[in-house]
Amino acid sequence: GESVGLHLPTLSVQEGDNSIINCAYSNSASDYFIWYKQESGKGPQFIIDIRSNMDKRQGQRVTVLLNKTVKHLSLQIAATQPGDSAVYFCAENEQVPSGGGADGLTFGKGTHLIIQP
Amino acid sequence: NAGVTQTPKFRILKIGQSMTLQCTQDMNHNYMYWYRQDPGMGLKLIYYSVGAGITDKGEVPNGYNVSRSTTEDFPLRLELAAPSQTSVYFCASKYRNTEAFFGQGTRLTVV
Repeated sequence: GESVGLHLPTLSVQEGDNSIINCAYSNSASDYFIWYKQESGKGPQFIIDIRSNMDKRQGQRVTVLLNKTVKHLSLQIAATQPGDSAVYFCAENEQVPSGGGADGLTFGKGTHLIIQP
Repeated sequence: NAGVTQTPKFRILKIGQSMTLQCTQDMNHNYMYWYRQDPGMGLKLIYYSVGAGITDKGEVPNGYNVSRSTTEDFPLRLELAAPSQTSVYFCASKYRNTEAFFGQGTRLTVV
């Protein structure tokens, strides 16, 4: 199974409301997590990251929360705008399968955020 | 900085044909990655490289090959294209334990 997953494939919110996108991870050794936004036809774009020595980090209109006890990550978007419509992926940074010490990102399936006018 | 540049943006291949997807980055990142993204799915790691001359397999390497002769370039080679390789391919680069920067993707269809 996937080590990183998202609870809901689609999230529909009213413009101006806050959005909360959730993510569960299974690798307790992961110490770095990233949220990406992917608009249609484009590559993933970095939004915000958090390291395991923190439980909250804020950016511009976005907040990431990390709960290591239950291995849960969430992305909160304040005052959702039409431009926020996209697929959101959480990713955990962990060692790649070769075991050579290199790290790479493991992605969940994504949540499609739909903004209702 | 152009960031991560992928070419071509679109390609249609016939079964059994070969092609190379190009990826170059100008951020002097030592780590580079190739992912594929199937419809409605997340990204799966095909191959990665931690520096020039070093490459290794990811989760789904079968049917692909890579090389890393320079820090900037990380081409992905498909030798005998199969319909199962129809996907969107993303190249990414980063430093160790930092966020990855992605290219715009190559949409490949094998018919």
